[in-house]
Amino acid sequence: QQPVQSPQAVILREGEDAVINCSSSKALYSVHWYRQKHGEAPVFLMILLKGGEQKGHDKISASFNEKKQQSSLYLTASQLSYSGTYFCGTERNNAGNMLTFGGGTRLMVKP
Amino acid sequence: NAGVTQTPKFQVLKTGQSMTLQCAQDMNHEYMSWYRQDPGMGLRLIHYSVGAGITDQGEVPNGYNVSRSTTEDFPLRLLSAAPSQTSVYFCASSTRRDGETQYFGPGTRLLVL
Repeated sequence: QQPVQSPQAVILREGEDAVINCSSSKALYSVHWYRQKHGEAPVFLMILLKGGEQKGHDKISASFNEKKQQSSLYLTASQLSYSGTYFCGTERNNAGNMLTFGGGTRLMVKP
Repeated sequence: NAGVTQTPKFQVLKTGQSMTLQCAQDMNHEYMSWYRQDPGMGLRLIHYSVGAGITDQGEVPNGYNVSRSTTEDFPLRLLSAAPSQTSVYFCASSTRRDGETQYFGPGTRLLVL
């Protein structure tokens, strides 16, 4: 079953923060976050495994709440380059990295 | 390494025609998969493979066939193209190791008239 992402779209000014959520009705093994620019392939941001810790690099971090089966992606002090569509992909077990993707969150960062 | 490569980049087909989308990876990844992405939507899994000679269906397999004769290649065949198959197709590969994600090819844009 497809995970649900929220919000569907968000507009920010440079320097503002944003949170994107990804929720599943099923127990998850892992959550993968990707960013996709228009006309390009998805680019991997980070992965969170069941039982793992919150992850992050630069000003992008993510968490995984196993009790709620929800992951959140945190974008801090956003830059123009953060614009794009963010997708979460979920795995229910470690059976081959075959992901079920959410519908995406469109993020636009304005100067 | 070239990573994951896909050909062609663009293709226009007429309804009923058949074609093969090519996908290759040079990272010696065991897992390969095909996704389709319709405008404004997320990616949906069509078929996947966990190794040479092993394939299985994903979420939306109807109208597509795959085979995996080598580790490197994973072609996707459209048997009789339909307008509903107009989409962008992405191939991806990954390893078996925990914590590894999928690496996507650049995509093939397909228009079926």
